Amino acid sequence: EAGVVQSPRYKIIEKKQPVAFWCNPISGHNTLYWYRQNLGQGPELLIRYENEEAVDDSQLPKDRFSAERLKGVDSTLKIQPAELGDSAVYLCASSEFGTEQYFGPGTRLTVT
Amino acid sequence: AQSVTQPDIHITVSEGASLELRCNYSYGATPYLFWYVQSPGQGLQLLLKYFSGDTLVQGIKGFEAEFKRSQSSFNLRKPSVHWSDAAEYFCAVDSWGKFQFGAGTQVVVTP
Repeated sequence: EAGVVQSPRYKIIEKKQPVAFWCNPISGHNTLYWYRQNLGQGPELLIRYENEEAVDDSQLPKDRFSAERLKGVDSTLKIQPAELGDSAVYLCASSEFGTEQYFGPGTRLTVT
Repeated sequence: AQSVTQPDIHITVSEGASLELRCNYSYGATPYLFWYVQSPGQGLQLLLKYFSGDTLVQGIKGFEAEFKRSQSSFNLRKPSVHWSDAAEYFCAVDSWGKFQFGAGTQVVVTP
């Protein structure tokens, strides 16, 4: 069974530029999560989807971050414009009906 | 406030020795509890989980964890560590769909 797929694995951009991350969850998993993990810290939830609906986006900085999950499968997380403090690893996870989560390898973002 | 605490930021253990990682939570009701491991450059891998029932939970890679309601703890143990167990370990809780990770414990294994 294929795991959670994320791309790109690494991204380096200059501040004020836009960036997008893509996630393909495990087939059949209806719940999808985006996390941000800063160096030396645990992941912090940004947004959680149940199918197409964002059911928890309370921690998503909505002035510059946006996310979508069209058709309840793949998801894209966007930052526009990026700031230096956005440098982190962005993790995607999926689960079946909100049980244990399976994580992708993450995208390491560096903003210069 | 709801919280997940891993008191040890860093632990060094000799290969073959036992390992115990601490996790305490502060929630109104018993949440679902998890331990994940993250190797350098890798995503998080689920080691084990506790939802209900037997308070001693067996996981992968020879790990186990014990839920103690009276202490609000969910400590992870391994009787004999291998060099490949060097990684960062995260305790996590799921309380009514709210998922929260601890800050992690870095484990270093020495020969």
